[in-house]
Amino acid sequence: QKEVEQNSGPLSVPEGAIASLNCTYSDRVSQSFFWYRQYSGKSPELIMSIYSNGDKEDGRFTAQLNKASQYVSLLIRDSQPSDSATYLCAVNGNNRLAFGKGNQVVVIP
Amino acid sequence: EAQVTQNPRYLITVTGKKLTVTCSQNMNHEYMSWYRQDPGLGLRQIYYSMNVEVTDKGDVPEGYKVSRKEKRNFPLILESPSPNQTSLYFCASRPGNPNTEAFFGQGTRLTVV
Repeated sequence: QKEVEQNSGPLSVPEGAIASLNCTYSDRVSQSFFWYRQYSGKSPELIMSIYSNGDKEDGRFTAQLNKASQYVSLLIRDSQPSDSATYLCAVNGNNRLAFGKGNQVVVIP
Repeated sequence: EAQVTQNPRYLITVTGKKLTVTCSQNMNHEYMSWYRQDPGLGLRQIYYSMNVEVTDKGDVPEGYKVSRKEKRNFPLILESPSPNQTSLYFCASRPGNPNTEAFFGQGTRLTVV
């Protein structure tokens, strides 16, 4: 099993809708979890970080963490065309930050 | 301005010609790391460093070397580049606390012919 898995293919959502992204991880001792956004050809930039079970909201973004299920998700509410990007799930454990392959999100005006 | 600076941004080289990609951060971060990003494979860690003179292998270290002689610098060395090392490379840094954001450099697009 890969360390961090993001299995969904490209996600197309209408403007104003909710985009939902999922991520699972294999290392139970993982301590911190991050969602990064990456525009094509650019470097990743942090959107959300979450460390404890439950929900964390920041503006239009909500991260959800369930350590028992080894699952972390990201919701983007009121999706905007500027949200069109690749979203990377990252998990920190044993001093290493491992990334999933990413999910491409396309917001259709 | 707090930043991670990589140089060069773009590089085309020939097989076997040694090259170095530099990475420098001005945030006094203990932790630095190199990643490569390839289509369909995502970001894969090459090497990381917890602090000066402390380096360790990531997921794909073969064909690469690093050094951490100063806290701010973490160069990536390709002693004998091969075409399969053609990729987009990112340097990242963060404080020693793992529950903190990693900051990324602008990326270096390397082509080995």
